[in-house]
Amino acid sequence: QQPVQSPQAVILREGEDAVINCSSSKALYSVHWYRQKHGEAPVFLMILLKGGEQKGHEKISASFNEKKQQSSLYLTASQLSYSGTYFCGTEGTTSGTYKYIFGTGTRLKVLA
Amino acid sequence: GAVVSQHPSWVICKSGTSVKIECRSLDFQATTMFWYRQFPKQSLMLMATSNEGSKATYEQGVEKDKFLINHASLTLSTLTVTSAHPEDSSFYICSARDLFLALTSRYNEQFFGPGTRLTVL
Repeated sequence: QQPVQSPQAVILREGEDAVINCSSSKALYSVHWYRQKHGEAPVFLMILLKGGEQKGHEKISASFNEKKQQSSLYLTASQLSYSGTYFCGTEGTTSGTYKYIFGTGTRLKVLA
Repeated sequence: GAVVSQHPSWVICKSGTSVKIECRSLDFQATTMFWYRQFPKQSLMLMATSNEGSKATYEQGVEKDKFLINHASLTLSTLTVTSAHPEDSSFYICSARDLFLALTSRYNEQFFGPGTRLTVL
């Protein structure tokens, strides 16, 4: 089942912060975060594996809640280059088949 | 780093023709490759999981006879859109799991191809 992201879209001014959420109705094995620019493939940002985990680099960080059903991506002091669509990705197995599914996506626009 | 290529990058074809898209892992072996389709302003939707040496597993609602997948080697998977129609116009992206990482790590980073934009007239 596809994870649901919120908000669907957000507009920021340079330097502002944003939080993007990814929610699942069942516990996830892991959660991956990606950013996609228009017309390009997604670019991997980070992965979280453990409940309660927090991870980040530079001004982008993420958390994974204890129940492993929700993850949040934190963008601080946003830059113009942060514009794009953010997806969470989740992996798991269905009927013995490994699958990788993306969330609904959040479009982020950073204005100067 | 792990690189996945797709060919072609862009393709325009007439309605009724078939189009083949290649996905190659250039510097690693991939037992599993995934094919996604992305319509404008939408998420990437998994179409099928391609396994080397076996039949692909298709997601519900994806026609097997229309989207033919062949994963003949550990570095190549192909998607053929047969008898393409305008509604098949989309951005098709493949991704691959690194076999070594899959066997030795708890997690599996996906390596994405650059995508193929298909326009059917």
